[in-house]
Amino acid sequence: RKEVEQDPGPFNVPEGATVAFNCTYSNSASQSFFWYRQDCRKEPKLLMSVYSSGNEDGRFTAQLNRASQYISLLIRDSKLSDSATYLCVVTLYNNNDMRFGAGTRLTVKP
Amino acid sequence: DTAVSQTPKYLVTQMGNDKSIKCEQNLGHDTMYWYKQDSKKFLKIMFSYNNKELIINETVPNRFSPKSPDKAHLNLHINSLELGDSAVYFCASSQDRLLSSYNEQFFGPGTRLTVL
Repeated sequence: RKEVEQDPGPFNVPEGATVAFNCTYSNSASQSFFWYRQDCRKEPKLLMSVYSSGNEDGRFTAQLNRASQYISLLIRDSKLSDSATYLCVVTLYNNNDMRFGAGTRLTVKP
Repeated sequence: DTAVSQTPKYLVTQMGNDKSIKCEQNLGHDTMYWYKQDSKKFLKIMFSYNNKELIINETVPNRFSPKSPDKAHLNLHINSLELGDSAVYFCASSQDRLLSSYNEQFFGPGTRLTVL
């Protein structure tokens, strides 16, 4: 079983749609959780951290369920500029070692 | 002003050659990393250095040798290149080794290595 698993997609949605991505992780000792965004042929960039109580940043909402070892990202009112690959990331118990999912590809169409 | 820079951006070479990729960060960070992203886009950590000291060394062939002359630089040397080494290699840095929402990891633009 992979340490971090994501649905690879692709997700093709129209502008304005709401889309949700899921991610599961295998190591129950995982400490910190993040969503990164990677544009085509570019480096990954931090989108947002994921807190136990859930957190929101504008159109983006992240949720964490430690019991189920599950993380989600919800994007509301999708924009063309949201088209990218979204990487689910967890750190192991020492909070230094990041493990990346393979990413979920999103394409937002006009 | 590039925070994390890598050179070269593209590297095309023959099997069996030895090559190096350089990484520099001007953020004053203590911790630096090397990642490999393969053709399936899977990003995997290879090494991590904190203040020039190796702290993470994943199961990587010993043909790969990182070198950190100072905490602002982490270079990657690869001996006897193989076809399977073709990938994008990303350098990254963070303020210190404890990654969190307050200690973000910044990535360089990547080096696309193609071994023929």
